[in-house]
Amino acid sequence: GQSLEQPSEVTAVEGAIVQINCTYQTSGFYGLSWYQQHDGGAPTFLSYNALDGLEETGRFSSFLSRSDSYGYLLLQELQMKDSASYFCAVSTPGYSTLTFGKGTMLLVSP
Amino acid sequence: SQTIHQWPATLVQPVGSPLSLECTVEGTSNPNLYWYRQAAGRGLQLLFYSVGIGQISSEVPQNLSASRPQDRQFILSSKKLLLSDSGFYLCACKGQGDDEQYFGPGTRLTVT
Repeated sequence: GQSLEQPSEVTAVEGAIVQINCTYQTSGFYGLSWYQQHDGGAPTFLSYNALDGLEETGRFSSFLSRSDSYGYLLLQELQMKDSASYFCAVSTPGYSTLTFGKGTMLLVSP
Repeated sequence: SQTIHQWPATLVQPVGSPLSLECTVEGTSNPNLYWYRQAAGRGLQLLFYSVGIGQISSEVPQNLSASRPQDRQFILSSKKLLLSDSGFYLCACKGQGDDEQYFGPGTRLTVT
């Protein structure tokens, strides 16, 4: 089976940089995704890594190390609207499904 | 890009009553479709997924069922709801060749 670990909560101030880590254990691995979910809303896709390295999309970047079964989401120039829950999710070869972590609640303060 | 419709947005049902939640997708053909449930303050639990019409895979045995009568229609049902069925139900879609899943707005179900 698959299991993912990420911190339950992270706090930061506006303008800062924050990193949300995710470690995973899977019987196979195809890629690591990140989703953002605001309170009461649906998850929205942020990024996807299938290969080692850093993927950058505006203020958000995502990193993957397959050998370490580890990834992180980096949020720069934090804004109040970034306060949300962030989920990492793994997909495995031969399947069309994602297994999600329990989520990290990011609280951005002024 | 895909658009996912779910209704109703909120629902309050008594224990033992039936349930039918519908999800429809626009903007893609032959997508993979998914039903997730999210309890308050928790992660997403995959309930069912479908790779084609009439093809349903269940991830968690329970009193829920799913059907896919048309390519872009996915239905979640129950004959008799339990209190533990309360939660936020999300339909998701993944196009062929895509890496990401897109989520619908969700249905918040409260079983009383």
